[in-house]
Amino acid sequence: DTGVSQNPRHKITKRGQNVTFRCDPISEHNRLYWYRQTLGQGPEFLTYFQNEAQLEKSRLLSDRFSAERPKGSFSTLEIQRTEQGDSAMYLCASSRTGPGDRSTEAFFGQGTRLTVV
Amino acid sequence: QKEVEQNSGPLSVPEGAIASLNCTYSDRGSQSFFWYRQYSGKSPELIMSIYSNGDKEDGRFTAQLNKASQYVSLLIRDSQPSDSATYLCAFYSGGYQKVTFGTGTKLQVIP
Repeated sequence: DTGVSQNPRHKITKRGQNVTFRCDPISEHNRLYWYRQTLGQGPEFLTYFQNEAQLEKSRLLSDRFSAERPKGSFSTLEIQRTEQGDSAMYLCASSRTGPGDRSTEAFFGQGTRLTVV
Repeated sequence: QKEVEQNSGPLSVPEGAIASLNCTYSDRGSQSFFWYRQYSGKSPELIMSIYSNGDKEDGRFTAQLNKASQYVSLLIRDSQPSDSATYLCAFYSGGYQKVTFGTGTKLQVIP
């Protein structure tokens, strides 16, 4: 088992390059979230999926960011033309849906730390 | 008004004492409330969930929820140095269908 898995754990890239991160949620979870966290801040919501449908994208997210979850399983987050301000920890979380309060519990992966130089 | 407000701390308590962490939220439609613990450089770990008014106890942790006052707290009894971390308050809103986080309170347990 299998908790949420994220790859890579660390990524160093030059400004202007594109990067892609992958998240594999807990297998029975059909909701998947992406968050971004910078030092001293709480996780900031980026987007989320219910199965393969992207249901919400943060208005703070520039069009350089795109996310997919093509078969409702793993998800990718791509950042195009990276900027130094994109340096952060990118966190993926998943939860199940269905009846019951515990379906709202979200569990995080280990995160991908991005450094743009 | 921020959706979730927490005192950033640091909150320093001596080993063995009770640590009290507080959080207020603005969305009255919130239905689920969570406390996450985050060690430096690591991802958040869910430690408590609470859904109805009152207290919920799990080991040394007690979560308290007051929906009328839009207030949730976490008590850590017999604090240990290993409890030193940032504690994130979060809530799930059925309207927005996402989990929203506060900025966290840094707790330091002094041996």
